[in-house]
Amino acid sequence: DQQVKQNSPSLSVQEGRISILNCDYTNSMFDYFLWYKKYPAEGPTFLISISSIKDKNEDGRFTVFLNKSAKHLSLHIVPSQPGDSAVYFCAASDGDSNYQLIWGAGTKLIIKP
Amino acid sequence: EPEVTQTPSHQVTQMGQEVILRCVPISNHLYFYWYRQILGQKVEFLVSFYNNEISEKSEIFDDQFSVERPDGSNFTLKIRSTKLEDSAMYFCASGSGATDTQYFGPGTRLTVL
Repeated sequence: DQQVKQNSPSLSVQEGRISILNCDYTNSMFDYFLWYKKYPAEGPTFLISISSIKDKNEDGRFTVFLNKSAKHLSLHIVPSQPGDSAVYFCAASDGDSNYQLIWGAGTKLIIKP
Repeated sequence: EPEVTQTPSHQVTQMGQEVILRCVPISNHLYFYWYRQILGQKVEFLVSFYNNEISEKSEIFDDQFSVERPDGSNFTLKIRSTKLEDSAMYFCASGSGATDTQYFGPGTRLTVL
């Protein structure tokens, strides 16, 4: 049951360029979406979130876009830096079950110098 | 900056033994969670806890699992009789509100032999 899908297991981007990580979901009841970043041997670190009433949220180099009709969200990182190399997880929750996060499989981002 | 801590970082146990994984959530948070990630698989929700009781639990969280907040600071996950398939990274998370961002600890790697 893949309610949250990250179809790219890995992505390689040149330092200084834009990184775009994608996430699709199937459950139309999801109303809150989050991106987490994870380094090896560490727990997920919260990056940025977006509520379903918005279509964009920006925080520094990170912007999340939500397209509800397409059930798609994306994380843009501009400019990409070497320290951004990590696994990025998309997660979602719904109003009726807002205690639990449903996670995507993750995308490994590699920033090349 | 406050953070969620977990101990031990790595626990090795024999099948059938009981293990207790410990977490210290962020001090003013009221909502607590356990997730696990089997190697190579998705992060999966186990249980959420609020007001000294379980709010929600997944199918994974069967009778072998229990959670407790024995004092004002610790939040524990007990597995009564471990199975080989319980081997995973276990992440604790906490949040200040039901719909607020969950902050994760570094994880405990559980290895069941």
